[in-house]
Amino acid sequence: AQKITQTQPGMFVQEKEAVTLDCTYDTSDPSYGLFWYKQPSSGEMIFLIYQGSYDQQNATEGRYSLNFQKARKSANLVISASQLGDSAMYFCAMRGPNTNAGKSTFGDGTTLTVKP
Amino acid sequence: DGGITQSPKYLFRKEGQNVTLSCEQNLNHDAMYWYRQDPGQGLRLIYYSQIVNDFQKGDIAEGYSVSREKKESFPLTVTSAQKNPTAFYLCASNSGGASSYEQYFGPGTRLTVT
Repeated sequence: AQKITQTQPGMFVQEKEAVTLDCTYDTSDPSYGLFWYKQPSSGEMIFLIYQGSYDQQNATEGRYSLNFQKARKSANLVISASQLGDSAMYFCAMRGPNTNAGKSTFGDGTTLTVKP
Repeated sequence: DGGITQSPKYLFRKEGQNVTLSCEQNLNHDAMYWYRQDPGQGLRLIYYSQIVNDFQKGDIAEGYSVSREKKESFPLTVTSAQKNPTAFYLCASNSGGASSYEQYFGPGTRLTVT
């Protein structure tokens, strides 16, 4: 069974500073994908970044980067130069191989508040 | 524009009534999913379908039913047997191929049952 743990229910960051949102995972599958989504108050889920279990380098997408430490089973999201619009809930998720029907397991989320 | 539509955005029902939530996608995706989200929590999988005319139960399927008669449509019925139906419901899809790592989400439907 897959499990995602996000231990930070809420985080605060000053505008223009960097922030790290923690995510640890557990799976027995050798092949998997890790994702981060942003959910603003409107409720939509916005895909941010993806990391494959066999990827050698950490994923980056603009101001987002994923600090992937496979041995520690962690996939922390780093947001650089925080903006007020980054205030939202952030979810870490995992998907197994295609044999697992592509089902995603989500963590409970971290609410990020960016202070001016 | 390709994407997933869910309607309506807000839905109100009386207890004891069945209600059907719509999910349509024009991405030509094979796989579709329904998730439930309660306040302050993550998403939990209700049902999923990898192909037309086939679907499987997720982690919390009790009190829900689905159909997949067309590739682009995956409606979810919340039955009166669902004990706590008030929640935010999200539909998602992906192509199902080997490189289909990203799931696309619809805007969601907020269901309130009183």
